[in-house]
Amino acid sequence: SQQGEEDPQALSIQEGENATMNCSYKTSINNLQWYRQNSGRGLVHLILIRSNEREKHSGRLRVTLDTSKKSSSLLITASRAADTASYFCATGSNYKLTFGKGTLLTVNP
Amino acid sequence: DAGVIQSPRHEVTEMGQEVTLRCKPISGHNSLFWYRQTMMRGLELLIYFNNNVPIDDSGMPEDRFSAKMPNASFSTLKIQPSEPRDSAVYFCASSLGSGGSYEQYFGPGTRLTVT
Repeated sequence: SQQGEEDPQALSIQEGENATMNCSYKTSINNLQWYRQNSGRGLVHLILIRSNEREKHSGRLRVTLDTSKKSSSLLITASRAADTASYFCATGSNYKLTFGKGTLLTVNP
Repeated sequence: DAGVIQSPRHEVTEMGQEVTLRCKPISGHNSLFWYRQTMMRGLELLIYFNNNVPIDDSGMPEDRFSAKMPNASFSTLKIQPSEPRDSAVYFCASSLGSGGSYEQYFGPGTRLTVT
């Protein structure tokens, strides 16, 4: 069964706005990762946050992790049309990643 | 670096036929994963190899599916006989370390259609 569940399932915004996607999970993890998938392509790794970290930044991306609430959020600032894609969270245990079903982000020019 | 290479990119076959999907991981990576993606079930882990040894095949749907990794640079996923419900996109991914502790690099996928 899927570990992480993203919310919302779909999000549509205007270029320049910020996009926030959330991920909730059920069991303990040693890390949480976010991936992007453009239509018809493979997944691309965006950022990994370990269970002892609370926040991480990479360019326009900001990820938070709250292990007490078993939740994470991905913030994309100043969105661009090229950010249009599906975004997946994946919870990492010692031996595998388990992916959620993703959030479809549409950034309108 | 060429990234993870998968072949074929598209495969259309008739029910009952054997299908073989191929993957070349990134050189130096010691873990390889096979996933299946469908609209209904999302991205599912089928099998995971570490140092060419299958570690977890609990996601393999049934005996019709088999996977091998004869060496560090090549893996196959075979479906025999194929069924229409096997239609999906199959991804191969590799990583530097074992399990879920490292980022994974995905190939472009093989879109399988079984008629």
